[in-house]
Amino acid sequence: DTGVSQDPRHKITKRGQNVTFRCDPISEHNRLYWYRQTLGQGPEFLTYFQNEAQLEKSRLLSDRFSAERPKGSFSTLEIQRTEQGDSAMYLCASSHSGGAPAQYFGPGTRLTVL
Amino acid sequence: RKEVEQDPGPFNVPEGATVAFNCTYSNSASQSFFWYRQDCRKEPKLLMSVYSSGNEDGRFTAQLNRASQYISLLIRDSKLSDSATYLCVVNRGGNEKLTFGTGTRLTIIP
Repeated sequence: DTGVSQDPRHKITKRGQNVTFRCDPISEHNRLYWYRQTLGQGPEFLTYFQNEAQLEKSRLLSDRFSAERPKGSFSTLEIQRTEQGDSAMYLCASSHSGGAPAQYFGPGTRLTVL
Repeated sequence: RKEVEQDPGPFNVPEGATVAFNCTYSNSASQSFFWYRQDCRKEPKLLMSVYSSGNEDGRFTAQLNRASQYISLLIRDSKLSDSATYLCVVNRGGNEKLTFGTGTRLTIIP
C-alpha cells in the first residue's frame, strides 16, 4: 500500500501522560500536514512541513504539542501532559508542492484521554 | 462566522433520487476548492476538485461561483454506497492548509 500510513491507529492514555504519533506520507510527497478532528466537526489544521521545515503552526497547537519531520520523510506529533480535551482523531495528510493542491489523508490515530 | 459553512443535515434521500449540497466560504483569497467524502470513523477521501467552469465526474457534478463565494455538489441517481458525510473544503492556494466545513451527512434510504 503506497498511501499515507499512521501509527498507532488507536491510543488510550491517562491524563498527564505523553503520547507520540507517527505519520509516513506518500513517498514522493514533500508536504506533510497534521489535522485534528473531533466528533461532528470537520478536520482542523494543526501544522505542516515542506521537507523538514515546519512552515506554519495553528494557534490550536499549544506549547504541549510538538511536531517534527527530521529527515523530510516521516513525521511525529507529540502531545505532552495530555488533557481530556486532547481526545480526538489526529489525521496526517500529504501532497506535493509542485503538483495539484489536493491532500491525501492517512487513516488517523484516535486518541482517548481518560 | 466560520470560514466554510455547510448545512450539517442530515439529508435522508431515497435511492435513485438527486441530492444537492451547498457550501459558502468567507475568504475571497481562496484559490482551490474540493469536496471530500468521509465514511463513519474513517479518514476524509478526495471526491473531486471544483473548478470555476464546473466539472462532472460520473454521477457527481460540482459548481463554483467565485462572485458569490458559493460551492455546490450534485449527486444524481444516488446509490446506497453514497451514504457518507460530504465535506466542503477550501485552500488559499500554494498547497497550504485546507479549511473544512463541518460536513453534511447523507443517508440514502433503500
